[in-house]
Amino acid sequence: SYELTQPPSVSVSPGQTATITCSGDKLGDSYASWYQQKPGQSPVLVIYQHDKRPSGIPERFSGSNSGNTATLTISGTQAMDEADYYCQAWGSSTNVIFGGGTKLTVL
Amino acid sequence: EVQLVESGGGLVQPGGSLRLSCAASGFTFSSYDMHWVRQPTGKGLEWVSVIDTAGYTYYAGSGKGRFTVSRGNAKNSFYLQMNSLRAGDTAVYYCAASSPFTDAFDIWGHGTTVTVSS
Repeated sequence: SYELTQPPSVSVSPGQTATITCSGDKLGDSYASWYQQKPGQSPVLVIYQHDKRPSGIPERFSGSNSGNTATLTISGTQAMDEADYYCQAWGSSTNVIFGGGTKLTVL
Repeated sequence: EVQLVESGGGLVQPGGSLRLSCAASGFTFSSYDMHWVRQPTGKGLEWVSVIDTAGYTYYAGSGKGRFTVSRGNAKNSFYLQMNSLRAGDTAVYYCAASSPFTDAFDIWGHGTTVTVSS
């Protein structure tokens, strides 16, 4: 079955750049999206179609894709960015795949 | 205000049934594919099902044959009928909307909790 692999955790110091990767065999065939989820809250879309930001999402959030790996980058990370981040792509038959999630800690 | 509001969660015994509802407002409901996504406590997101704008439905393997999704565009609502529930179905269930413009889940509800336990 199609899977998306993310690191379980990433740590970053305030003001530094956080990088979260998402690997999957079919990422080259499907757009990747990224969601931020804070404790007790619903997910929020932060990146879609690999590298586009919805309105209202700060410019420090960016995305990229290279082959079978999508990357979420948070530049100048702030304490408020501490959250779980999930990548998502589309499999066959309109199935949706989520990565296992990455817990971002801002130390 | 753009929002999705779920209802219908609760405690149900194994083998029982539950019907979740999701009410949409603030956007053109008929133009969005509507999904259910669930999240067991402390775990990641798991896609459950979708009903697209044409009414076609698709399910993750875990729900095939047990779950049925439907929508009522006139009521701006959609539903998830869950039968033969198991302990593994225990989770927060979110409804979410995806648009063809983003190929992503643009709008999420606040979630409703389903607990399957005797």
